[in-house]
Amino acid sequence: DVKVTQSSRYLVKRTGEKVFLECVQDMDHENMFWYRQDPGLGLRLIYFSYDVKMKEKGDIPEGYSVSREKKERFSLILESASTNQTSMYLCASSPGQGKTQYFGPGTRLLVL
Amino acid sequence: GDSVTQMEGPVTLSEEAFLTINCTYTATGYPSLFWYVQYPGEGLQLLLKATKADDKGSNKGFEATYRKETTSFHLEKGSVQVSDSAVYFCALSDTPGGGADGLTFGKGTHLIIQP
Repeated sequence: DVKVTQSSRYLVKRTGEKVFLECVQDMDHENMFWYRQDPGLGLRLIYFSYDVKMKEKGDIPEGYSVSREKKERFSLILESASTNQTSMYLCASSPGQGKTQYFGPGTRLLVL
Repeated sequence: GDSVTQMEGPVTLSEEAFLTINCTYTATGYPSLFWYVQYPGEGLQLLLKATKADDKGSNKGFEATYRKETTSFHLEKGSVQVSDSAVYFCALSDTPGGGADGLTFGKGTHLIIQP
């Protein structure tokens, strides 16, 4: 079974802090994704990566950056957290374009 | 751009009732279509998918048929159970070019099944 793990289930940070959300997949998938999930808005794509050191902006990249130094790991970085970044963050991976995406359990981030 | 529209809930049904959750889409290419389910406190799990017109995806008693002529992918189940209570997301993957792509999701439908 594909396993996608995220470093934290719950996280509380203060405005202005630098926040790292880590995601690891164990199936040698090429593609990895970060989404945020908000009530009434569904899931929105923040960034994705199709190879090591490669990244592409999704629909809402402002205020975020990403890092993919190893194939299995994809990190989401909030350079200076703000209260409007309070959300559920979901990581996913897939073996190729148009293929099924496998999701991690999510990190619920609260920025005070 | 691509978009997915699904009925918004919550949808409340009694156990053993028939379920339909509507989903329609707009896309520039020939997308793959998915239904994902999210149980309370968990991440999303793939429920079923279809990759071309007239394909039927099915899993755990749920079914959805890819209808290109009506750009729809409605989710159905003949007899729901309390354990089906969850949020259901319709999504599409449209890959006219190369490289990775994210899924475009609907806003989700919260389904509540009462015993």
